Amino acid sequence: GAVVSQHPSRVICKSGTSVKIECRSLDFQATTMFWYRQFPKKSLMLMATSNEGSKATYEQGVEKDKFLINHASLTLSTLTVTSAHPEDSSFYICSARRGTSPQKQFFGPGTRLTVL
Amino acid sequence: TQLLEQSPQFLSIQEGENLTVYCNSSSVFSSLQWYRQEPGEGPVLLVTVVTGGEVKKLKRLTFQFGDARKDSSLHITAAQPGDTGLYLCAGEMNRDDKIIFGKGTRLHILP
Repeated sequence: GAVVSQHPSRVICKSGTSVKIECRSLDFQATTMFWYRQFPKKSLMLMATSNEGSKATYEQGVEKDKFLINHASLTLSTLTVTSAHPEDSSFYICSARRGTSPQKQFFGPGTRLTVL
Repeated sequence: TQLLEQSPQFLSIQEGENLTVYCNSSSVFSSLQWYRQEPGEGPVLLVTVVTGGEVKKLKRLTFQFGDARKDSSLHITAAQPGDTGLYLCAGEMNRDDKIIFGKGTRLHILP
């Protein structure tokens, strides 16, 4: 399978600060990447679709000014949690899509964010 | 409304037993994937099924896509502790559209 990396794997920050999470596809180019949020013992909740060279598409209820997404190259998408609050603490996972239908998504290892 | 219903949500069985996990929907999917996720890690793709009625085997795991492409099942034979994890089904509704995830089945195999 393809390899997708995320950095950092864990981050602890103070309330009010911003945190940037990187998602990289290491061995293939991905025009589309996805950002998910996962609460403890729950399934993945899609936050937004990141498209290379264009604006991200956010799911209903996800604040685009709160969760800034940039997909500047075919191998890198970033998610910035702005003015983080304790309720933003979660496990954030990205995936990169390869191929057309049937598409395959390859997931990163996730980033555990803790906001104090 | 949950488009993909997985059942059971939780399953705890003894090593060596067989089990089946179901993924059901009233919608038709162009493809369906099964993932396994371990705590603190991202999901890992197990299989993609595309054709109605398709059956795929991955060692002790057998995946089936329903004839109408609305449902799928995952059968594990002689479960082992290493099979423990969260199993997620995910469907691609329209070609190249986003993938929709089920809520997952948390499987625990007791040694």
